Amino acid sequence: AQSVTQLGSHVSVSEGALVLLRCNYSSSVPPYLFWYVQYPNQGLQLLLKYTSAATLVKGINGFEAEFKKSETSFHLTKPSAHMSDAAEYFCAGSEADSSYKLIFGSGTRLLVRP
Amino acid sequence: DAGVTQSPTHLIKTRGQQVTLRCSPKSGHDTVSWYQQALGQGPQFIFQYYEEEERQRGNFPDRFSGHQFPNYSSELNVNALLLGDSALYLCASSLGGRNVATQYFGPGTRLTVL
Repeated sequence: AQSVTQLGSHVSVSEGALVLLRCNYSSSVPPYLFWYVQYPNQGLQLLLKYTSAATLVKGINGFEAEFKKSETSFHLTKPSAHMSDAAEYFCAGSEADSSYKLIFGSGTRLLVRP
Repeated sequence: DAGVTQSPTHLIKTRGQQVTLRCSPKSGHDTVSWYQQALGQGPQFIFQYYEEEERQRGNFPDRFSGHQFPNYSSELNVNALLLGDSALYLCASSLGGRNVATQYFGPGTRLTVL
């Protein structure tokens, strides 16, 4: 069965600094992986997804993530943080060809300091 | 193009009552999934509806039931409410029912059980 682990419930960066949010998965089959962002009192917005094509995936708002099978990781990065990036970020996965549900990590709250 | 809509936005119930939450999928989508997001946690999959049938179910008791209508909209019903059912309930829609299909989320319904 698949599980998704996000390391660090809170990450704080300065405006303009690199953003790195960590996600690891465990799966017996190649997964599909997603990053979603949730702003206060709102639903989830898709940032990007990996579906076994290119291992480096580019998303919206300057975010990207790299699928590394050897490390079972799918970390989210952004070269330069903006104040508007402050939100909760969720990594999610779905087992390829066997399940329709998304399994979410526990989330990482990104704080951006001016 | 309307996104996923949910109603009501907020709801307060007492223990033992029943509640119905509603979801209209994004235009053109035919699949609806429901998730429960407790405070400070990632969303947990409740079930998914496709072609008016429950196709997959998460680890939720039978008190949680649903329905999908011919126009693809959906309802989530929860009977005999418990304090622990207090959460944000998220609806997500997707196209074609494939697990690789991106799920688009609505803003959620905040349920408080007193």
